Amino acid sequence: DTGVSQDPRHKITKRGQNVTFRCDPISEHNRLYWYRQTLGQGPEFLTYFQNEAQLEKSRLLSDRFSAERPKGSFSTLEIQRTEQGDSAMYLCASRIDGSSYEQYFGPGTRLTVT
Amino acid sequence: AQSVTQLGSHVSVSEGALVLLRCNYSSSVPPYLFWYVQYPNQGLQLLLKYTTGATLVKGINGFEAEFKKSETSFHLTKPSAHMSDAAEYFCAVSDGGGANNLFFGTGTRLTVIP
Repeated sequence: DTGVSQDPRHKITKRGQNVTFRCDPISEHNRLYWYRQTLGQGPEFLTYFQNEAQLEKSRLLSDRFSAERPKGSFSTLEIQRTEQGDSAMYLCASRIDGSSYEQYFGPGTRLTVT
Repeated sequence: AQSVTQLGSHVSVSEGALVLLRCNYSSSVPPYLFWYVQYPNQGLQLLLKYTTGATLVKGINGFEAEFKKSETSFHLTKPSAHMSDAAEYFCAVSDGGGANNLFFGTGTRLTVIP
């Protein structure tokens, strides 16, 4: 068990560019979550997968955001036409059905849009 | 809907003193409650959780929390603060159904004074 990993850890991009982040959950964890954390705030839920199916999306997830989990293992989060307001830490978490509900978090990807 | 209020965005204690971090929640269903700790530029680590059963739960690093339904509270305590406890602490609630996504408070930054 190597924990949840995220890549890259840091990303600096110019406004208007597209960015993609990757999350590798703990193996055999069928549930995968994306959260966004802005400075001085707690994480806010973005979206959730059960296996490869994206089952819930927050209103925070605008049309510029898209997430996939094609084989039910790793997941990607893409932001198109980035805006300065997208600057945040993007956290991925995973858990397994039947567990006592705790989610295991990755180290996050810090996005800075200039 | 679920929500969490953490009273005190910053708490300072002397090394060896009692740590008390406050969390009140709102939930329309029996809640699942969590405390996470976040060190700078890292993801979140689970300290402890309450799902069902005993209302006083013990976690890692000597922390514990008590679920008080009548007060809708889940305060985090530690009898004796250590320098290594300095971090950001987040209280979170989940409804336990569907996505089980977590709703976080805004966090409390704990400073330990030597």
